[in-house]
Amino acid sequence: EVQLVESGGGLVQPGGSLRLSCAASGFTFRSYMMNWVRQAPGGGLEWVSYISSSPSTIYYADSVKGRFTISRDDAKNSLYLQMNSLRAEDTAVYYCARARAGITRDFDYWGQGTLVTVSS
Amino acid sequence: DIQMTQSPSFLSASVGDRVTMTCRASQSINNYLNWYQHKPGKAPKLLIYAASSLQSGVPSRFSGGGSGTDFTLTISSLQPEDFATYYCQQSYSTLVTFGGGTKVEIK
Repeated sequence: EVQLVESGGGLVQPGGSLRLSCAASGFTFRSYMMNWVRQAPGGGLEWVSYISSSPSTIYYADSVKGRFTISRDDAKNSLYLQMNSLRAEDTAVYYCARARAGITRDFDYWGQGTLVTVSS
Repeated sequence: DIQMTQSPSFLSASVGDRVTMTCRASQSINNYLNWYQHKPGKAPKLLIYAASSLQSGVPSRFSGGGSGTDFTLTISSLQPEDFATYYCQQSYSTLVTFGGGTKVEIK
């Protein structure tokens, strides 16, 4: 069974940093493209970042470019999101999502999410 | 970036109703259009990929259509478990984008 479990969320002050993790199981993690998606309170889904299978290609949404860094450790079956210079508008539930292999790139499995709150 | 516009934002319907919602892309995305269902506190769930392909395990009352810039998601007979928010997503561009969502509420 495919499972994605996020962790690392919490309360952080504006300007602070946080590192999210996503533990994957039930599939060959190294073969799949992975993403982070967030949902702000009362808002919709917003794609944040993408990392391909190795050798890694990486993309970011303009809203986080230069502040967030996505990475993966295939030996640990884990995906990460390093978030620096956090702002109030980064407050959201953050989900990791697997992109289906092939050209459609839909997100066929998602985690339950981890809440990040940026507030003083 | 490719903008995705969903309508309506809110939809009030009864169990058994046939409901249709739309998604429009700001430029042609061929059939690189996916639909998700999201319930509060739960992980989003893929329903339809490549505009009209039903994801494994999803009930056949869900169907998708369209190509280019205009797409639809139809629920043929609304069930109690279908009350949720539905999002479209384009995966044509390397920077994927979601629509704003259609919330389906109980009438």
